Amino acid sequence: DTEVTQTPKHLVMGMTNKKSLKCEQHMGHRAMYWYKQKAKKPPELMFVYSYEKLSINESVPSRFSPECPNSSLLNLHLHALQPEDSALYLCASSQDSEGQDTQYFGPGTRLTVL
Amino acid sequence: AQSVTQPDIHITVSEGASLELRCNYSYGATPYLFWYVQSPGQGLQLLLKYFSGDTLVQGIKGFEAEFKRSQSSFNLRKPSVHWSDAAEYFCAVGVYFRAGGGNKLTFGTGTQLKVEL
Repeated sequence: DTEVTQTPKHLVMGMTNKKSLKCEQHMGHRAMYWYKQKAKKPPELMFVYSYEKLSINESVPSRFSPECPNSSLLNLHLHALQPEDSALYLCASSQDSEGQDTQYFGPGTRLTVL
Repeated sequence: AQSVTQPDIHITVSEGASLELRCNYSYGATPYLFWYVQSPGQGLQLLLKYFSGDTLVQGIKGFEAEFKRSQSSFNLRKPSVHWSDAAEYFCAVGVYFRAGGGNKLTFGTGTQLKVEL
């Protein structure tokens, strides 16, 4: 089973709202990722967690706050977003093994910021 | 730094025709290469991957890809395209992040495949 689940599927929020995106995997993977994807563009890496510790932050604005409560869960907390943050947010996970690491993606959360 | 080029933004083929999507990469060491497919509004599905060994790799849905180090290429092929193959295809190169763990995928800009019936 290579399933990564994400909730919600769709989210509409105002610029003053606080919301969270959730991601879950039960493959025993130890690395988890957040990507942002704008229409007609490839995914852009935002954050990487390895063994529940933040490994990579690609200079993402502080209005995006990641959290990894345990090895199966990954959250992305959103606060004071801008309309340009509207995008498809993808979560992925991988075994975190050098030389053979493969990322598996979830279906994404379509975020609209009004 | 690594980079990936997919020269074809759009490709249209007739159902039943063969397909080749081009991918060129730039990376100093042995690359880990991937092809993903994405249907509209969906996540990315892994088609196939190359780490080492046999340079011709087989994937799901009848796809294959050939790694050519001399040409820095990893082209995706399918002998007979089905209408359901219409989607966006991304080539990616992966680099393991030794300092903290996890790996960074660098994607090409994607190729949009349209299949004519």
